[in-house]
Amino acid sequence: DTAVSQTPKYLVTQMGNDKSIKCEQNLGHDTMYWYKQDSKKFLKIMFSYNNKELIINETVPNRFSPKSPDKAHLNLHINSLELGDSAVYFCASSQGMSFQPQHFGDGTRLSIL
Amino acid sequence: DQQVKQNSPSLSVQEGRISILNCDYTNSMFDYFLWYKKYPAEGPTFLISISSIKDKNEDGRFTVFLNKSAKHLSLHIVPSQPGDSAVYFCAANRGSTLGRLYFGRGTQLTVWP
Repeated sequence: DTAVSQTPKYLVTQMGNDKSIKCEQNLGHDTMYWYKQDSKKFLKIMFSYNNKELIINETVPNRFSPKSPDKAHLNLHINSLELGDSAVYFCASSQGMSFQPQHFGDGTRLSIL
Repeated sequence: DQQVKQNSPSLSVQEGRISILNCDYTNSMFDYFLWYKKYPAEGPTFLISISSIKDKNEDGRFTVFLNKSAKHLSLHIVPSQPGDSAVYFCAANRGSTLGRLYFGRGTQLTVWP
């Protein structure tokens, strides 16, 4: 009965490859997010979707492309992976975008060799 | 530019005592503040929040205090328990920024018996 689930939990791949991370929430929320936690442990927002519409698109390389097939899913596809993409990626969801707590998945640890 | 700061990377408290975690912010437009707890290899778990129209919010053993003039908030945990040992993140949001949360770097709380 996991509320926000991400797959895979770990992803080890080589530079130049393309990979996807999937996220699903069963909370009935209408807004989903992707955050990146870098080596300095800062959590920074990358994207948000509200009712499948892109709302936030931070300064992220266009190698990163989110896709929201429906309100319960937000996937992240990364092309041409680089060493600097190594990080933990967290998916989150909330009901509405203001004054609402966001609920996080357990993260996907991406390691680029 | 780091808009939310947690200047203490770690805090050690004896079981049964009070834990006080501090957070400062620079953006006076923030109007919603949250605390998250994070265990290793898990995602951040929402603990408690407060909007800028209040100066205190309680939920069981957790109380958050907001001092808008000082741009400071704190999380009090009373009494502290060993299971509270985790990294605590402070986060802030401006209602008009459509869910964009700004996180501090986190404080590692250790509660010893």
